[in-house]
Amino acid sequence: QKEVEQNSGPLSVPEGAIASLNCTYSDRGSQSFFWYRQYSGKSPELIMFIYSNGDKEDGRFTAQLNTASQYVSLLIRDSQPSDSATYLCAVNIGRYSSASKIIFGSGTRLSIRP
Amino acid sequence: EAQVTQNPRYLITVTGKKLTVTCSQNMNHEYMSWYRQDPGLGLRQIYYSMNVEVTDKGDVPEGYKVSRKEKRNFPLILESPSPNQTSLYFCASSLGFGSANEKLFFGSGTQLSVL
Repeated sequence: QKEVEQNSGPLSVPEGAIASLNCTYSDRGSQSFFWYRQYSGKSPELIMFIYSNGDKEDGRFTAQLNTASQYVSLLIRDSQPSDSATYLCAVNIGRYSSASKIIFGSGTRLSIRP
Repeated sequence: EAQVTQNPRYLITVTGKKLTVTCSQNMNHEYMSWYRQDPGLGLRQIYYSMNVEVTDKGDVPEGYKVSRKEKRNFPLILESPSPNQTSLYFCASSLGFGSANEKLFFGSGTQLSVL
């Protein structure tokens, strides 16, 4: 079982709708969770991070964490064509807050159709 | 401007010819790391460094070397490249410790082809 799993997609969502991206992780002790966006041919950039159970909102983005079920989600409201990208879920599997134990999923490709 | 600078952006080489990919950050970050990205496999960590003169293996270190002689620089060295090292490489840095300091800043990437 992979440590961080994502559906590779592509996930196609109409413009203006809500895009829902999911990620599951295997290490129950994980404490930090991140979502990175990567445009084709570009480097990943951090868009959300969450450390505690529940929801965290930032503009059109909401991260949801459920440690009991070991999944983390990213919701994108009012999806725009500029949201078309690959979204990487990253989980810190270490017991201490160190960047060295961050594991990435293989990414979900999101396509927003006009 | 705060950034991680990688060079070169594209590199084509032949099997066995030593090469170095440079990485430099201007954010005074303690932590630096190298990843390779392959289709369907996501980002996999090659080596990382928690501070000057402190380096450690990641998940896929075979065939690679690194050094951290200065805080800002973290070059990736392929002593004898092979075709299975054809990949997209990213350097990343962060402050390192503490929940708010794990955020990674990535360089623009190096597309390496080994013939």
